[in-house]
Amino acid sequence: NAGVTQTPKFRVLKTGQSMTLLCAQDMNHEYMYWYRQDPGMGLRLIHYSVGEGTTAKGEVPDGYNVSRLKKQNFLLGLESAAPSQTSVYFCASSYASGTGASQAGTQHFGDGTRLSIL
Amino acid sequence: GQNIDQPTEMTATEGAIVQINCTYQTSGFNGLFWYQQHAGEAPTFLSYNVLDGLEEKGRFSSFLSRSKGYSYLLLKELQMKDSASYLCAVSHHIFFNKFYFGSGTKLNVKP
Repeated sequence: NAGVTQTPKFRVLKTGQSMTLLCAQDMNHEYMYWYRQDPGMGLRLIHYSVGEGTTAKGEVPDGYNVSRLKKQNFLLGLESAAPSQTSVYFCASSYASGTGASQAGTQHFGDGTRLSIL
Repeated sequence: GQNIDQPTEMTATEGAIVQINCTYQTSGFNGLFWYQQHAGEAPTFLSYNVLDGLEEKGRFSSFLSRSKGYSYLLLKELQMKDSASYLCAVSHHIFFNKFYFGSGTKLNVKP
């Protein structure tokens, strides 16, 4: 049981390049999230999804797009990378609210993707 | 808007008890969650509170006062492996599908 798997683990991009970060979960979770973590700023929500085919904006969505074509996968895209997007990106997943506060609120995180943009 | 405050860093001694505070001001509240994050690793779930009061889980306890917008995480019998960052997160929505995190408190446990 792998849990939440993020690909790639590290990447260096040049300004203006595009890339896609992949998140896959094998726990049959309905909810999935993308966060970025910068020094001194904690985790900030970029986009999230409450189910297959649905996405919504979080705190800091500008410059990013997402897609959830399959329940187990949540993709984060950078169309034109900027140095301000240098960060550690975490994907997380959780059960839906109908399963109770503990289950729905307990997010399972991937190991993160360390992205540097030059 | 959302405003979640935690102390930046704390130091405590092995075997002691430490309390990490979290205060919040949010436009919606439906639960407060605590996560532990070791350096270079992913956050892992520790505890949560939806109603006022104390929740105990082994060496870890979490307290919530919704009227005061205040929570704390209590760690007892500190061990060296407890050196980590502790993140406070508020669930903004009744369906627990949107969270706001504090900046985290880095706890240093010394021998």
